[in-house]
Amino acid sequence: GENVEQHPSTLSVQEGDSAVIKCTYSDSASNYFPWYKQELGKGPQLIIDIRSNVGEKKDQRIAVTLNKTAKHFSLHITETQPEDSAVYFCAASIENYGQNFVFGPGTRLSVLP
Amino acid sequence: DVKVTQSSRYLVKRTGEKVFLECVQDMDHENMFWYRQDPGLGLRLIYFSYDVKMKEKGDIPEGYSVSREKKERFSLILESASTNQTSMYLCASRTAAYEQYFGPGTRLTVT
Repeated sequence: GENVEQHPSTLSVQEGDSAVIKCTYSDSASNYFPWYKQELGKGPQLIIDIRSNVGEKKDQRIAVTLNKTAKHFSLHITETQPEDSAVYFCAASIENYGQNFVFGPGTRLSVLP
Repeated sequence: DVKVTQSSRYLVKRTGEKVFLECVQDMDHENMFWYRQDPGLGLRLIYFSYDVKMKEKGDIPEGYSVSREKKERFSLILESASTNQTSMYLCASRTAAYEQYFGPGTRLTVT
């Protein structure tokens, strides 16, 4: 079955710097890759996703890149702000086959003012 | 906006009690999920449902059951709560486009 690894487990950056979180997956059939942000005491919030027919997707300060050959995808946050501090989860799944998501273990991002 | 609501943010129950956690989504999604989240163990799938009255076991179904009598509502039941079921419980529903949205979570403490 699918296995998703996520690195780093913790990440501290200075406000205004960029942050990059990387996930690798094992099942080459996976084709849908969402990213979630979870703030303390709240449920995970979908922030961006990418499908395997594109290599990159951007939404304001957030971007996700996908390398299907290497089976990894990354979350890029530019111009980080203190409110970006949270735990970020990646996931992988096979769309349209009813397969459930396999989540990475999470990355705790701290943005230092 | 998709809205997934959970009946309680915090619950404290005693060992052996029957516990009901309710989840409601307002977007007519067919697929709904229950996860538990524990430090160091990540998100683990307990049960899911892809239609009314349909349910499937996830990765850790032992000690839990579910009910889906209406499309918008998915309930998680702890038949006899135990201390090892103290956890954060997250409900989610999924769109036809495969986007999965989570509720705010219920932090359950079993004493």
